[in-house]
Amino acid sequence: RKEVEQDPGPFNVPEGATVAFNCTYSNSASQSFFWYRQDCRKEPKLLMSVYSSGNEDGRFTAQLNRASQYISLLIRDSKLSDSATYLCVVNKAAGNKLTFGGGTRVLVKP
Amino acid sequence: DVKVTQSSRYLVKRTGEKVFLECVQDMDHENMFWYRQDPGLGLRLIYFSYDVKMKEKGDIPEGYSVSREKKERFSLILESASTNQTSMYLCASNRRGQPQHFGDGTRLSIL
Repeated sequence: RKEVEQDPGPFNVPEGATVAFNCTYSNSASQSFFWYRQDCRKEPKLLMSVYSSGNEDGRFTAQLNRASQYISLLIRDSKLSDSATYLCVVNKAAGNKLTFGGGTRVLVKP
Repeated sequence: DVKVTQSSRYLVKRTGEKVFLECVQDMDHENMFWYRQDPGLGLRLIYFSYDVKMKEKGDIPEGYSVSREKKERFSLILESASTNQTSMYLCASNRRGQPQHFGDGTRLSIL
């Protein structure tokens, strides 16, 4: 089993709709969680950190469920510019190493 | 803004060549990382460094070495390039516990 797993998609989303997807992680000792966004042929860029109580940044909401070992990302009012691959990233306890999921591709269409 | 700069966006080398990929960050970060990214495999950690002259193997260190002589610079070395090392290489840096910031990436082709 992979340490961090994501549905590769693509998720085809009508413009203005809401899309949500999850990421599961296998190491229960994981402490830090992030969502990164990666555009085609570009480097990953931090979208948001994920906090235990859940957090929101504009149209983006991230949730953490430690009991079931998954994090989620919800995008409201999708824009064409939200089309990208979203990478789930997990930091193991007491370490600097991050483990990346394979990414979920989102395509927002007019 | 954090700036992580990789020396080349595109690089073409031949099998057996020694290849150097350079990465420089301007935020005085302790930690620096080298990844490769391949379709279907995601980002995989090759090596990382948490201090000058310190290095640790990541998940796929075979065929690679690194050098960190100065805090701001982290070099990835392919001792004898092979075709299976054709990939996108990404450098990142961070302070402990903080998110990593990535460079633009180097698309390396080994012929």
